[in-house]
Amino acid sequence: GQQLNQSPQSMFIQEGEDVSMNCTSSSIFNTWLWYKQEPGEGPVLLIALYKAGELTSNGRLTAQFGITRKDSFLNISASIPSDVGIYFCAGLSLNRDDKIIFGKGTRLHILP
Amino acid sequence: DGGITQSPKYLFRKEGQNVTLSCEQNLNHDAMYWYRQDPGQGLRLIYYSQIVNDFQKGDIAEGYSVSREKKESFPLTVTSAQKNPTAFYLCASNRGGNYNSPLHFGNGTRLTVT
Repeated sequence: GQQLNQSPQSMFIQEGEDVSMNCTSSSIFNTWLWYKQEPGEGPVLLIALYKAGELTSNGRLTAQFGITRKDSFLNISASIPSDVGIYFCAGLSLNRDDKIIFGKGTRLHILP
Repeated sequence: DGGITQSPKYLFRKEGQNVTLSCEQNLNHDAMYWYRQDPGQGLRLIYYSQIVNDFQKGDIAEGYSVSREKKESFPLTVTSAQKNPTAFYLCASNRGGNYNSPLHFGNGTRLTVT
C-alpha cells in the first residue's frame, strides 16, 4: 500500500534556528498537506499544495510540492517557542478509492 | 463558525463496557473519518464514510463500529472486543469525492479504559 516516509522523527533546536522536515513516497500524489498538532488537540492545517513545483508560504512557514510529485518539504524560519508540536505531512491522490495517507510526524522541541 | 465538535474531551470506562464517542460537523462535508492516535504514533484510520448511510473499514477497524445516519454526525462505538482501547481518538471531515479536499479535525477524545 501507499506509505509516506517523514523525517526526521524528532528535532531538538535552539530558539531562532530554522527548521526543515520532509516527506517522501514511492507513490505520486496530487495534493500535499502539512498539519501541526499541539498536545491534547487535533491537527490543524498549515499549508495545502495542489501543483507540482508549487512553493507556498504561511508566515514563517514555507512548503513545497516536489516536481516528481513524490515528495514535499516544510521549512520554519526563526523558530519560536510556540512552534513546539508535532508536524504531519499527508498526501492525497485523485483516485476516488484512495484514502489520505499521513506521515508518522516530526516532533519539534525548542530549547531555551 | 463552522467546525467539528467531538465530545466528550475525556472519557473513562471500565473494561468490558462499550462506549460511544460523538462527532458532529457543520461544514456541510460529505466525508467523515475516525482516526486513532497512540503516544508517539501517527494517525491510524479506523473507519470512514463518504456519504450518508455508507461507511468503510479503515486499517484498524476490528473492535469498533460506526453509523452514518445523518450527514452531520458520525459516532464511533468502541466495543469490548477492542483489545487496547485506551487512546486519543480524532474525528475528521472533508468534501470527499475527487475534490482533493484537506481534512479538518476535531479536538479529539481521550479514552481511558481500566
